[in-house]
Amino acid sequence: SQQGEEDPQALSIQEGENATMNCSYKTSINNLQWYRQNSGRGLVHLILIRSNEREKHSGRLRVTLDTSKKSSSLLITASRAADTASYFCATVPGNQFYFGTGTSLTVIP
Amino acid sequence: GAGVSQSPRYKVAKRGQDVALRCDPISGHVSLFWYQQALGQGPEFLTYFQNEAQLDKSGLPSDRFFAERPEGSVSTLKIQRTQQEDSAVYLCASSFFQGREETQYFGPGTRLLVL
Repeated sequence: SQQGEEDPQALSIQEGENATMNCSYKTSINNLQWYRQNSGRGLVHLILIRSNEREKHSGRLRVTLDTSKKSSSLLITASRAADTASYFCATVPGNQFYFGTGTSLTVIP
Repeated sequence: GAGVSQSPRYKVAKRGQDVALRCDPISGHVSLFWYQQALGQGPEFLTYFQNEAQLDKSGLPSDRFFAERPEGSVSTLKIQRTQQEDSAVYLCASSFFQGREETQYFGPGTRLLVL
């Protein structure tokens, strides 16, 4: 079974708007990572946040982590049509990666 | 340099056939992972290698699934007597080392369809 659950399952926004997706998980973690997957392709790493960090930025990405609530959020600012993809959180409690079910993001030009 | 490559990209098999899926990790990467991704789902862990040693195969769904990495580079995932529920995308990923803060580099996947 998968560790994480993303919310919402699908999100459709206009270009230029911000997109927020959430991830909830079940057990304690060492770190949490976000990946992106374009249709028919492999996953690409976006950002990693450690369990002792609360917020991290990378370009137009902002990730938050609340270990007390066992949740994380990914914010994409000023979205572009090229951001259209599925986004997965991966929790790393030990040496394995557990991926969530993903959020499918569509950015309408 | 080259990324992770997988072959074939697509495979159609008749139920009961054996299939072999190949993964070429990034050169020098110690760790190699196999995942199974059903349609509309996230990747599910199958097995993990550190060099040639298979350290974790807890995710393999049955004894019909077998993976090897004999020389610590290329890996093959073999599925014997395929069944329709084996239809999925099989993803391979590698990382430089085995550590909790390592990020994984994924191949494009092999899409397997069992008829």
